[in-house]
Amino acid sequence: SQKIEQNSEALNIQEGKTATLTCNYTNYSPAYLQWYRQDPGRGPVFLLLIRENEKEKRKERLKVTFDTTLKQSLFHITASQPADSATYLCALGGDSSASKIIFGSGTRLSIRP
Amino acid sequence: DAGVIQSPRHEVTEMGQEVTLRCKLISGHNSLFWYRQTMMRGLELLIYFNNNVPIDDSGMPEDRFSAKMPNASFSTLKIQPSEPRDSAVYFCASSLATRNTGELFFGEGSRLTVL
Repeated sequence: SQKIEQNSEALNIQEGKTATLTCNYTNYSPAYLQWYRQDPGRGPVFLLLIRENEKEKRKERLKVTFDTTLKQSLFHITASQPADSATYLCALGGDSSASKIIFGSGTRLSIRP
Repeated sequence: DAGVIQSPRHEVTEMGQEVTLRCKLISGHNSLFWYRQTMMRGLELLIYFNNNVPIDDSGMPEDRFSAKMPNASFSTLKIQPSEPRDSAVYFCASSLATRNTGELFFGEGSRLTVL
């Protein structure tokens, strides 16, 4: 069955460092991969999308890589800030069922001052 | 635009009662997704619609769950009868679906507690 795995443990890093989150998937051939941010008590908010034919995407302090051979995406936040503390979810879409989007369980990121 | 609007934000009910959750899509969006989020299972896709038509309901846990989209801007998720294991946060999300995009816009969720 389709499976998406993210860092199961919470990530706790020092302000200013780069946070790197991992998303691995199996039994899936996505046309695109997305990353979302979710704050406590709120709905997820879209951050970035990367397509299957793209290796890397950047947006301000965010960088996403997508390796379809390894079936893995890495999500980087550079110069991290306490305000970046949240849960980050990866999502896959565009497989055989064009619109279906499924999510990983998320990684909780804490940035300490 | 006000974004995706869900109601109620919180619902506490007793086992066996019917629960109806509501969702208003962003104007112009043509895809609607219902997800359920728990600590144990994360964000699970229950059902999604394209142009008001249910496309995939394989995530709906049981016949007790049903979802409708009576028009292009509104959807309901009904649980009848409800059970304590249905306690979760239910999110709906809308998008303008094309083959290689699909950014989802989520509502703030409906937190359901079944006693």
